[in-house]
Amino acid sequence: GDSVTQMEGPVTLSEEAFLTINCTYTATGYPSLFWYVQYPGEGLQLLLKATKADDKGSNKGFEATYRKETTSFHLEKGSVQVSDSAVYFCALSNGRNQFYFGTGTSLTVIP
Amino acid sequence: EPEVTQTPSHQVTQMGQEVILRCVPISNHLYFYWYRQILGQKVEFLVSFYNNEISEKSEIFDDQFSVERPDGSNFTLKIRSTKLEDSAMYFCASTPDRGRVSNQPQHFGDGTRLSIL
Repeated sequence: GDSVTQMEGPVTLSEEAFLTINCTYTATGYPSLFWYVQYPGEGLQLLLKATKADDKGSNKGFEATYRKETTSFHLEKGSVQVSDSAVYFCALSNGRNQFYFGTGTSLTVIP
Repeated sequence: EPEVTQTPSHQVTQMGQEVILRCVPISNHLYFYWYRQILGQKVEFLVSFYNNEISEKSEIFDDQFSVERPDGSNFTLKIRSTKLEDSAMYFCASTPDRGRVSNQPQHFGDGTRLSIL
């Protein structure tokens, strides 16, 4: 079945470091891919999305490119800030109105 | 920006009791969802709802669970006889429309933490 595999955490980085959180997926057809962020005590917020191969989603300095050949959607940011500390979820929508989430990766950015 | 709202933020219930979790989706959205996140685990799909009926449901969504849209604004999840393993964060979500539904991001509420004693 459809699924998302996400890099295990937790990840701890110093401020201004480069961030990569790996995400790979398994799906039939042509899914859409998403990254959600969950700040402490809050719900899931959409960070970015890509709906077809080679699309790049970007928001707040974060980027992810939909790679069909490697079935990946890795999240990157060139320079993280303390305020980026959160849990990041990769997700897939399979067109049957279901979302599949990864296990989440906790990021802590230290000053 | 419009948002999905959920109440209560925290619900504590005795095992075996019924519980109703409430959600107000974004007003012009047509698809509604419930998810749960057991502490430390992934977010799991429970059910989707469209046009006053269940559209999809997962294996988790057994006969103990039901959903309802009792009026034009609320969307509820009922657990008939709660078990200890129902303790989790429950998230409601909604999407605007059916067209190219796979392209639509889901808008989530802040969740209800359900604790079963």
